[in-house]
Amino acid sequence: LAKTTQPISMDSYEGQEVNITCSHNNIATNDYITWYQQFPSQGPRFIIQGYKTKVTNEVASLFIPADRKSSTLSLPRVSLSDTAVYYCLVGVLNTGGFKTIFGAGTRLFVKA
Amino acid sequence: DADVTQTPRNRITKTGKRIMLECSQTKGHDRMYWYRQDPGLGLRLIYYSFDVKDINKGEISDGYSVSRQAQAKFSLSLESAIPNQTALYFCATRKVAEVNTGELFFGEGSRLTVL
Repeated sequence: LAKTTQPISMDSYEGQEVNITCSHNNIATNDYITWYQQFPSQGPRFIIQGYKTKVTNEVASLFIPADRKSSTLSLPRVSLSDTAVYYCLVGVLNTGGFKTIFGAGTRLFVKA
Repeated sequence: DADVTQTPRNRITKTGKRIMLECSQTKGHDRMYWYRQDPGLGLRLIYYSFDVKDINKGEISDGYSVSRQAQAKFSLSLESAIPNQTALYFCATRKVAEVNTGELFFGEGSRLTVL
């Protein structure tokens, strides 16, 4: 499984765009990139997933450069309720044995 | 009602006691997982199961055992609890689909304290 590296913490203000970058230098050809969000005392929640280029949904955007050695989760106009831990995961999704390994994540603190 | 339900939500026990954490799901998913979360360490995979009677070890299986007797249920046991097993435990499920997003659905967690 590819190792991921994220910043330990980030601060932002309400209304700003937040970009969290994850490094995964040894990503394999079949690996997908997935991001989860976790609030205190709750289980993580799926945010977005991608393989290459850009993916956007109602919550966030995910930017993946051509070499796929990093990815950036973009949260537009954050609010106080976006204060959470964000995890970047890299892995293979086929039925052969997908195992999800979470790192320490990035703790985002949004201030008023 | 939650799709992935964990019981108990909180438990305090003593060293050496046997503890079982239960997980049940109404999502009809094939795959189920048990994770442990310690402060500042993210989540670590304990065991996972791809189907009934299928059991696979994760990163930190020592001191734990699991049982998958039915598709909807996956239980985690600590045969003889020790203080460093004090943690927040999460159960998760995932559906194997043709277009596989890999999305995990988590329960609300079970906080275990071993004195």
